[in-house]
Order: sequence, then C-alpha cells, then structure tokens
Amino acid sequence: DAGVIQSPRHEVTEMGQEVTLRCKPISGHDYLFWYRQTMMRGLELLIYFNNNVPIDDSGMPEDRFSAKMPNASFSTLKIQPSEPRDSAVYFCASTPDSPWGTEAFFGQGTRLTVV
Amino acid sequence: GDSVTQMEGPVTLSEEAFLTINCTYTATGYPSLFWYVQYPGEGLQLLLKATKADDKGSNKGFEATYRKETTSFHLEKGSVQVSDSAVYFCALWDDKIIFGKGTRLHILP
Repeated sequence: DAGVIQSPRHEVTEMGQEVTLRCKPISGHDYLFWYRQTMMRGLELLIYFNNNVPIDDSGMPEDRFSAKMPNASFSTLKIQPSEPRDSAVYFCASTPDSPWGTEAFFGQGTRLTVV
Repeated sequence: GDSVTQMEGPVTLSEEAFLTINCTYTATGYPSLFWYVQYPGEGLQLLLKATKADDKGSNKGFEATYRKETTSFHLEKGSVQVSDSAVYFCALWDDKIIFGKGTRLHILP
C-alpha cells in the first residue's frame, strides 16, 4: 500500500476563496482523522470518522469548515470562505479498528497559505 | 476531556547526551499511550507505544514506561545523535487520538 495520500501538498489561495483538501486512507482502515498543525496551537484534532461516519466534529473551528467521507477510500476537508488565520499544515491519518488503540498512519500533509 | 501535556521546547543537547522529554496525561478511561516523531516536511511516524500500566515501549534506543499512578509516559534515550533532531509528540488513544503540542529537539554535533 502507498500509505495515506493527501493532495495537494501545497495550496496558496486568496482570502474568501473555497479550498478543498483531499485524503485517501490506507485500504482496510476503519478510522480517518483530520488534524491541523500550527506553531501556536500544535496538532489539533478537527474531526474523525469511523466506517465513513463522522463521530466527533467538536474540533472543527467554525461553520466555514466541513468534512465528508463519501466512501471508505476518500475524504475531503473544505474551507469556505477561507481566511488568513486558516493558514496551517493539515494532516490526514488513518488507523485500523482496535480496542487498544493502534498506530496512526499519517499523510505528508497539505500546507495551506491563505493570503 | 482527555488531554496530553508535554514539556515545551525547544530542547537543545549535545551529541551523546541523555534525553528526557516529560509527558503527562488526563483521561476518563484507560488509554493506550504513544510517542510519535516528525521530521522536517513530513507527517508523524510512530516511535513507540504502550497499552497498559507498567508496559515499556522501546524503539531506536528510545524508551518510555506507562506509569498509571503518576499518569506519565516520559520519553528517554541514553545517548542522542544528530539524526534524532526532530519534533516529538506524546499521544493517547481513548476513543480517539489526542496529541500533545510537541517538543522540538535539537542535537548539536
């Protein structure tokens, strides 16, 4: 397996534009997580899915953020409209189902810059 | 809610020095504990883990012991190398994965 694949790797957009980040988890993994990383706040959990169903979206900062997982092999994180304070690195991670917790496999991230 | 607190960096050490990065947690359940490492421009990678009290996780010379009585999972290495320079994250899994803010480590040759 190629691992968790995120696209694009870098995104530069103007304030007010819509941004869509994409993630392909590892085949067979039941959990998918979206994180945002900044110097000030570290690594924040935005939302996670189990078997394509959103379980906890309490970390989504505001209504401008939305996430979907239409099938087991694809998820999107959308920001509309984008703002400069959304600039960060966004990571997607997936894990198999395990009651004891198991390794999370991370993508290489999308570096978003909103100007 | 669940949370992870780790020592703030950056931590700067000379090569072959002893390393400790402190990590404590709060959790409502009985979590599994992890250390992840992030190299520049990359995502996080699992370094080691422990799933129950008194378990010791180890990898690449790094160790951490799950201490339930002190709710801690401190990362140690006896002799660091320049190649260990990275950001280290402590994490727990209860019903989801929660990360600490990360500790940046610089090793000087």
